Formats: sequence, C-alpha cells, structure tokens
Amino acid sequence: EVQLVQSGAEVKKPGDSLKISCEGSGYSFSSYWIAWVRQMPGKGLEWMGMFYPPDSNIRYSPSFQGQVTISADKSINTAYLQWSSLKASDTGMYFCARYRGGVGGYYYFDYWGQGTQLTVSS
Amino acid sequence: SFELTQPPSVSVSPGQTARIACSGDALPKQFAYWYQQKSGQAPVLVSYEDSKRPSGIPERFSGSSSGTKATLTISGAQVDDEADYYCYSTDNTDNHVVFGGGTKLTVL
Repeated sequence: EVQLVQSGAEVKKPGDSLKISCEGSGYSFSSYWIAWVRQMPGKGLEWMGMFYPPDSNIRYSPSFQGQVTISADKSINTAYLQWSSLKASDTGMYFCARYRGGVGGYYYFDYWGQGTQLTVSS
Repeated sequence: SFELTQPPSVSVSPGQTARIACSGDALPKQFAYWYQQKSGQAPVLVSYEDSKRPSGIPERFSGSSSGTKATLTISGAQVDDEADYYCYSTDNTDNHVVFGGGTKLTVL
C-alpha cells in the first residue's frame, strides 16, 4: 500500500526557520517525483514545487521560487519542505503528493500525505 | 500560462445527478483530472485522464471532457459525497501545473 506520512503540526513565530517532512512507503520512492501543495485557510490547492529523486531535479512554481526549498533524502525515502524565515502569510496546510506519469507523458498527483498544518503567529 | 475555471458551488438533493464543470482553453489538448477533498482531509483522486476511474472509487463518479470543458458527474449523489472538488491539468512538459479554484458540492 502506497503511503505518504507527513510530520506533525507546527506553531512558529515570524522569522523562525522550519523544515517539514514526508516519508514515502509501499513503493519505490526513488522512481517518482514527490510534490508539495499548499492550501491556505479556506482556499484552494496551489502547487509549490517538486523533487525527482533519481537525478535530484527540482522544479518550483514561479509563485514559490525563492520562498521555500525542496529537498529529499533517498536513503530514508523522505522529502522535505523548508523555510528560512517564516511569515504570517505562510500559515496553511501543506500536503506532499506523489506525482506520476500517465498516458502521453502527462503527469498527475495520485497519492497524498495527510497534510502538515503550519501556524505562524507572533 | 493557463487557467482552469470552476463554479464556486453546486447543490443537489440526495439521489440526484451532480455535474461539476471545469473550463480551460488548454483542455482540448490536455487531460483533466479530478480530486475530492472532504473537510479536514487530504485530496483523493476520483477521475484521471479525462474519464478513467481509480480503483476503489465508486462507479457513480465519472469524468468526461469535450472541447474546452471537462465535467465530473456524480450519478445518484449521496450525502457522503459532500466535499470540495478540484479539477487539475498540466501540459506534458510539466511547465504548467494548475488546479481549478474548487467547487463546493452540497448534497441535502
């Protein structure tokens, strides 16, 4: 069974740094892209970026380029999303998701983590 | 870039057919995918590559696409189907990964 298990909820202050995690199991972690998706309170889904373990290729949404860092440790089947200086506007739910290829080379998210709630408040 | 547009809300009575639309200029050339997100939970894939249904998804969920519009149809909607539904699409260069704004389905 494919599972993505994320780290727990975080409460941080503006200016703090943070790294959240997403551990994959039940599949070959090194064979699939792993993506991060943000959901701000009461809002929709926003793709942030993704990591490809075989060659450590990283793609960022233009909206999140420079705002976060995506990485992974293949040896422990874990992906990370990192902030160096949090802002109140980073408050939201963050999901990791497996990103797989299908017909015609079109990719989509097929399995999702349970989400990590981040609250940034002074 | 491209955009996907969904109605903010759809409401049906139990047992009726719910249709949720997603419009986008790129849809004639790209697949549409649909996700269900119940309150406080992670999204779940309910339709992919326009009209395929993942294993474990009830047969009452079906996707279709024609021209610039994709549709998720829930035949005989149940109270348990109340959720937000998001369409998604991408070009096959992965340069554009886009979600629609989401549609809140109410079944009552």
